[in-house]
Amino acid sequence: DAKTTQPNSMESNEEEPVHLPCNHSTISGTDYIHWYRQLPSQGPEYVIHGLTSNVNNRMASLAIAEDRKSSTLILHRATLRDAAVYYCILKSSGDKLTFGTGTRLAVRP
Amino acid sequence: DAMVIQNPRYQVTQFGKPVTLSCSQTLNHNVMYWYQQKSSQAPKLLFHYYDKDFNNEADTPDNFQSRRPNTSFCFLDIRSPGLGDAAMYLCATSRDKLAGVYNEQFFGPGTRLTVL
Repeated sequence: DAKTTQPNSMESNEEEPVHLPCNHSTISGTDYIHWYRQLPSQGPEYVIHGLTSNVNNRMASLAIAEDRKSSTLILHRATLRDAAVYYCILKSSGDKLTFGTGTRLAVRP
Repeated sequence: DAMVIQNPRYQVTQFGKPVTLSCSQTLNHNVMYWYQQKSSQAPKLLFHYYDKDFNNEADTPDNFQSRRPNTSFCFLDIRSPGLGDAAMYLCATSRDKLAGVYNEQFFGPGTRLTVL
């Protein structure tokens, strides 16, 4: 399985943008890039996914490098509620979600 | 609201005593998953059902089994829990297994299992 590499932890100030990086140098052409997050004491929740083009939704933006070997999840204005573990996952059709260690995001008031 | 429900949220069992965790969904999704998440670790897939088709992960111990009597319900049975089975058990659903559309997984809040 293609693997992802994320920093173990990051910190941000409330109301500032956050850029969470993910490296996936062995990504294949059929792999979609998914982001999930897990708030404390909750199950993971879907954030966003993309294939080649940048994507935006109500929660976040996903910027995908032209060579697809890296991507960045962008939270435009971090809130305290965004403190969570963020997982970057590669997935092809029919494949399972394989969670890596993720990035623990702390948000300072 | 459509959702994934897990009961109970906390379950205590004794070493070796069979235990069943339950999951229900109102999303009418075809796929249901069971994950195990140990403390400070990422969720790990145990198995999933695609409709009635059961798919076991290669490294899931035989001690773990599952049943899906209908679209809405799925159960995780641990036949003889050991201390190492103490974990959060997460149920999830998705409409399909495609990577693009219909790929979002919806997770329940989890059941935290304690083994005494």
